[in-house]
Amino acid sequence: GAGVSQSPSNKVTEKGKDVELRCDPISGHTALYWYRQSLGQGLEFLIYFQGNSAPDKSGLPSDRFSAERTGGSVSTLTIQRTQQEDSAVYLCASSSAASGNQPQHFGDGTRLSIL
Amino acid sequence: QKEVEQDPGPLSVPEGAIVSLNCTYSNSAFQYFMWYRQYSRKGPELLMYTYSSGNKEDGRFTAQVDKSSKYISLFIRDSQPSDSATYLCAMCWGSARQLTFGSGTQLTVLP
Repeated sequence: GAGVSQSPSNKVTEKGKDVELRCDPISGHTALYWYRQSLGQGLEFLIYFQGNSAPDKSGLPSDRFSAERTGGSVSTLTIQRTQQEDSAVYLCASSSAASGNQPQHFGDGTRLSIL
Repeated sequence: QKEVEQDPGPLSVPEGAIVSLNCTYSNSAFQYFMWYRQYSRKGPELLMYTYSSGNKEDGRFTAQVDKSSKYISLFIRDSQPSDSATYLCAMCWGSARQLTFGSGTQLTVLP
């Protein structure tokens, strides 16, 4: 079956521009997660969605970052006024339950480069 | 101090060797332990998923959890060049949402 799908796979943009990253989770998975992977920082949690509940935004690094999930499926991560330190791979994961007893499955990520 | 510590390597072994990858952690609340494999320019791929202490075997892979020592291991038997990748340990507690990851160990299996 289809896994987690992310687009675009690569994005290069100028500092100060806004970017939107898309994630399409595995069909039927109710939980969706965004992580950021950068050299020296490893994989960092950003935000979590579960069904229609309010998202857990505790990992977002600044108010320039936001995310939404429409219809309980596709999610978009938006970064406004991008900075060079935002350069990283943004990974999306989904799971069939909200807690640790169901594993998370990852997409291949969006590689974001800020010039 | 990071919650999860993992030797970054790089680790280089000959084909057929037994590989041991390890992580230590400080949060005793962690209950679920995972190993992911990540190839270059790909997302992490789930290899092993264990709950609490003990061993779990899947083919050439064995995951071991020792909660008393806060130590987890992944063993790869009869290693193959296709096992060359970065291996990430990850863990969480029951009600948690996000995973806490180690920094990853880069493994190269030489033919």
